[in-house]
Amino acid sequence: QSALTQPRSVSGSPGQSVAISCTGTSRDVGAFNYVSWYQQHPGKAPKLIIFNVIKRPSGVPDRFSGSKSGNTASLTISGLQAEDEADYYCCSHAGGYTLGLFGGGTKLTVL
Amino acid sequence: EVQVVESGGGSVQPGGSLRLSCAASGFIFSNYWMSWVRQAPGKGLECVAIIKEDGSEKDYVGSVKGRFTISRDNAKNSLYLQMNSLRAEDTAVYFCVRDLGYYVMDVWGQGTTVSVSS
Repeated sequence: QSALTQPRSVSGSPGQSVAISCTGTSRDVGAFNYVSWYQQHPGKAPKLIIFNVIKRPSGVPDRFSGSKSGNTASLTISGLQAEDEADYYCCSHAGGYTLGLFGGGTKLTVL
Repeated sequence: EVQVVESGGGSVQPGGSLRLSCAASGFIFSNYWMSWVRQAPGKGLECVAIIKEDGSEKDYVGSVKGRFTISRDNAKNSLYLQMNSLRAEDTAVYFCVRDLGYYVMDVWGQGTTVSVSS
């Protein structure tokens, strides 16, 4: 099972918006509305920021939003802040497996 | 406070074994699926193993099937990962994770480091 495809890096200036894509197939991302997103700062554990494509856990700012179209899911971060600089990973269904399938990760740089 | 704390990592030679442990607190452990997720140095995240609330269902990523065994002791609020026949490519930080299902992993430990080298 191949990892979901994410851009290696994206960047934006404070206050701007950026979008991170997560592309899979009709057997994973496109199969169900079960895409989650995780934020990971260097040396830290990942943190859940989006689940079921569009839902935010309690405490996650509404600057973070998710969407999906066909086999591609997207994470949009609006009003970029310095603390948003981190790695971001998508996770979705992995065909017939119970385990999730992660994307390769995207490094967000806030300029 | 809801938390999970891993232990048991270390350095081992190829072919060796390690047993990771995860102590859960602050929630009803027996109500949740649990997972192990690993991250090789400088690499991305990979789900390694998952276990149902009562231990009756388990699944593994292909690269560890037959070598790793996930288990749990609900009476001790503990999750385990027995790793045998370790390979260099198993070198990673291993995270214990509370899994809500449908790829929603909401509680993560700080990780324990496993290094496999000769």
